[in-house]
Amino acid sequence: GENVEQHPSTLSVQEGDSAVIKCTYSDSASNYFPWYKQELGKGPQLIIDIRSNVGEKKDQRIAVTLNKTAKHFSLHITETQPEDSAVYFCAASRGNNDMRFGAGTRLTVKP
Amino acid sequence: DAGITQSPRHKVTETGTPVTLRCHQTENHRYMYWYRQDPGHGLRLIHYSYGVKDTDKGEVSDGYSVSRSKTEDFLLTLESATSSQTSVYFCAIKGSEGGQYFGPGTRLTVL
Repeated sequence: GENVEQHPSTLSVQEGDSAVIKCTYSDSASNYFPWYKQELGKGPQLIIDIRSNVGEKKDQRIAVTLNKTAKHFSLHITETQPEDSAVYFCAASRGNNDMRFGAGTRLTVKP
Repeated sequence: DAGITQSPRHKVTETGTPVTLRCHQTENHRYMYWYRQDPGHGLRLIHYSYGVKDTDKGEVSDGYSVSRSKTEDFLLTLESATSSQTSVYFCAIKGSEGGQYFGPGTRLTVL
């Protein structure tokens, strides 16, 4: 089955800097790659997703890139703010009923 | 929050007792999912449903059963709870564009 690895496990940045989180996947048939933000005590929140027919997608300060050949995808957050502090999860799936998640990255944005 | 509620939000039980967690949605989504979240493992799929009385196993289904007698309710049952089932359980639905949206979670402790 699919295996998703996520790095780094923790990331600390200064407010205003950029943050990058990277994930690799093993199943070349995976075609859907969402990213989730989870705040303490809450459920994961879908923040952006990308499908395999697209190489990059952007939504305001967040962007996701996908390299199908290398089987990796990344989340980029620019101009980070303290409210971006949370745990971020990547995931990969072939048909959305077999979603496999990375172990998560704890992002801390220092004011 | 995609109109998802979970009950109870917290539960403490003893080994060997049966436990049922409830997920309720108000937006008539066809697909519903149960995940568990443990440190270092991200989220792992337990079971999912693709319609009333239609369910299938996920990655970590052993020790769990599910039922869906109405579109709006998806129940997760631990027939005989074990300490290894101590976890945070999340329900999710599949939205109209394919992304999964999560409920607030249930924290279960098995003593």
